[in-house]
Amino acid sequence: AQSVTQLGSHVSVSEGALVLLRCNYSSSVPPYLFWYVQYPNQGLQLLLKYTSAATLVKGINGFEAEFKKSETSFHLTKPSAHMSDAAEYFCAVSYRGGGNKLTFGTGTQLKVEL
Amino acid sequence: EAGVAQSPRYKIIEKRQSVAFWCNPISGHATLYWYQQILGQGPKLLIQFQNNGVVDDSQLPKDRFSAERLKGVDSTLKIQPAKLEDSAVYLCASSFTGTGGPDTQYFGPGTRLTVL
Repeated sequence: AQSVTQLGSHVSVSEGALVLLRCNYSSSVPPYLFWYVQYPNQGLQLLLKYTSAATLVKGINGFEAEFKKSETSFHLTKPSAHMSDAAEYFCAVSYRGGGNKLTFGTGTQLKVEL
Repeated sequence: EAGVAQSPRYKIIEKRQSVAFWCNPISGHATLYWYQQILGQGPKLLIQFQNNGVVDDSQLPKDRFSAERLKGVDSTLKIQPAKLEDSAVYLCASSFTGTGGPDTQYFGPGTRLTVL
């Protein structure tokens, strides 16, 4: 079975500071990993995905994530936070042959302060 | 390109009543998903369709929930009778194929259900 754990349900950063949102996965087979963002009263939007090609994945809005097999991690980073980044972020996992079924973490609410 | 459409956006009902949600996926997307997102949790897959057929409904509470996807396009999710614990946001998503993968899933805005 696949699962993801997101450490920290709430993260607060200052505008311009580094954003680091943590995700650890558990999978018995090579995983596919995703980060989604959800703004209030909206659906989820894909930020980036890892599909077993490059381990450093670049996404939209300046976000990137690095797949580290040895640490079973897929942390999301952005060098400089912007007020518009305030939202909830979800890490998710699927796997080859899994029919595209996503298993989501519990989410991390990002707050950006002036 | 139009996104995934859902209606209604909000619904308030009393327990034991019935409710239905509608989803129109992105044109050409063969695979459609219904997720339940309870406050403070990540979305949980309820059912996945590939065209008209059900691929996965292992987490659908079949004693009260039902879903259909007629003609492989629009889909309806129904709850009858509703319980208090069904209060959640119901998200519909679609993807191009849903086989192999990983296909990107595109999400609609969701329907927020409150059961009183």
